Amino acid sequence: DTGVSQDPRHKITKRGQNVTFRCDPISEHNRLYWYRQTLGQGPEFLTYFQNEAQLEKSRLLSDRFSAERPKGSFSTLEIQRTEQGDSAMYLCAQAGREGSYNEQFFGPGTRLTVL
Amino acid sequence: QKEVEQNSGPLSVPEGAIASLNCTYSDRGSQSFFWYRQYSGKSPELIMFIYSNGDKEDGRFTAQLNKASQYVSLLIRDSQPSDSATYLCAVYSSASKIIFGSGTRLSIRP
Repeated sequence: DTGVSQDPRHKITKRGQNVTFRCDPISEHNRLYWYRQTLGQGPEFLTYFQNEAQLEKSRLLSDRFSAERPKGSFSTLEIQRTEQGDSAMYLCAQAGREGSYNEQFFGPGTRLTVL
Repeated sequence: QKEVEQNSGPLSVPEGAIASLNCTYSDRGSQSFFWYRQYSGKSPELIMFIYSNGDKEDGRFTAQLNKASQYVSLLIRDSQPSDSATYLCAVYSSASKIIFGSGTRLSIRP
């Protein structure tokens, strides 16, 4: 258990609906990442935060995707007008623990199914 | 060319033998290298990281890095059935993000 939690663990939605996922980090880790993983592939980078600042967004993150990290604490990832191609595991990871700058530790993930 | 390449497998190894997993990467500016283990339906779990050329050992696991050849490997000694999983190679690139390979499926046969 890395101490990173995600909610919900599973989400089934209909195409066109909006969904929001939450990631609750370990307090002392200052960098938070979001990834998307589909079957048979490694995680694909979506975006990351240094404290509350969103420093980079992947080209994969279309304008239907938005992420926030208010006050540098928990983070949310919202997908608007979901499409079937959004079905995937959405992973949150943290890094920045003192003494282990680049190692990333993942939460359990949220599995999204878009019908 | 993918940024991080791995053989997808499956790699089948008898119990007790050494499993050898390989990875190549394209960004010469990469500085940090990681191996994650992922069981089916679970999230990736960090098992090894290496920053310098050479070998790094931790229990039954040894990571090897050759920056000149842009090559990273993971050796698992005394393979156990519980080692059966997908192993993801990941590289912290010069663009300040981690790039993952597609993973190698490892199967340890009794």
